[in-house]
Amino acid sequence: EDQVTQSPEALRLQEGESSSLNCSYTVSGLRGLFWYRQDPGKGPEFLFTLYSAGEEKEKERLKATLTKKESFLHITAPKPEDSATYLCAVQGIFGNEKLTFGTGTRLTIIP
Amino acid sequence: DTEVTQTPKHLVMGMTNKKSLKCEQHMGHRAMYWYKQKAKKPPELMFVYSYEKLSINESVPSRFSPECPNSSLLNLHLHALQPEDSALYLCASSQTQGVPYGYTFGSGTRLTVV
Repeated sequence: EDQVTQSPEALRLQEGESSSLNCSYTVSGLRGLFWYRQDPGKGPEFLFTLYSAGEEKEKERLKATLTKKESFLHITAPKPEDSATYLCAVQGIFGNEKLTFGTGTRLTIIP
Repeated sequence: DTEVTQTPKHLVMGMTNKKSLKCEQHMGHRAMYWYKQKAKKPPELMFVYSYEKLSINESVPSRFSPECPNSSLLNLHLHALQPEDSALYLCASSQTQGVPYGYTFGSGTRLTVV
């Protein structure tokens, strides 16, 4: 069974203070690892898909990286509008179209 | 059009009511999903439709009944729900099997069962 563990559960940063969120996963053959951002009461918003170890993707202040066991979401010089829950999910080669989500990291950026 | 539209946004229903949630996408995606999300928890998969056929049912109680009338529409029919079924119900869509593209989620329906 595919499993995803995210840490920390919650993170409070000062505006401009860079940090990283961790996503550890176990899957029987990775088809893709996904990062989403979710604001309270809203649906998850797609950020990145990573397919193979060594891959990196960037979008504004966010950069996602992937190894064979974990993924990191690096946030550089965050702003208050980056406050949200960040979800990591994996899709395995045996799971049809199923995504398995982690419990997320609640990120708060303090002005 | 790069959106998944869900209606209604909010729904309050009694335990004896019958109601339906609706989801629509016009991105040409051939896989559509229903997820359930409780507060401060990750989304949990309920159903997957691929090419308008039910391909995954994650042992969901029969009081939840999905329907996919065509490739753009997905419904979730609700009947005799329990208070513990109160949650955010999310619809999503994706290009189907092959290279895994990111799901596009709707904004959800906030369901309260009283």
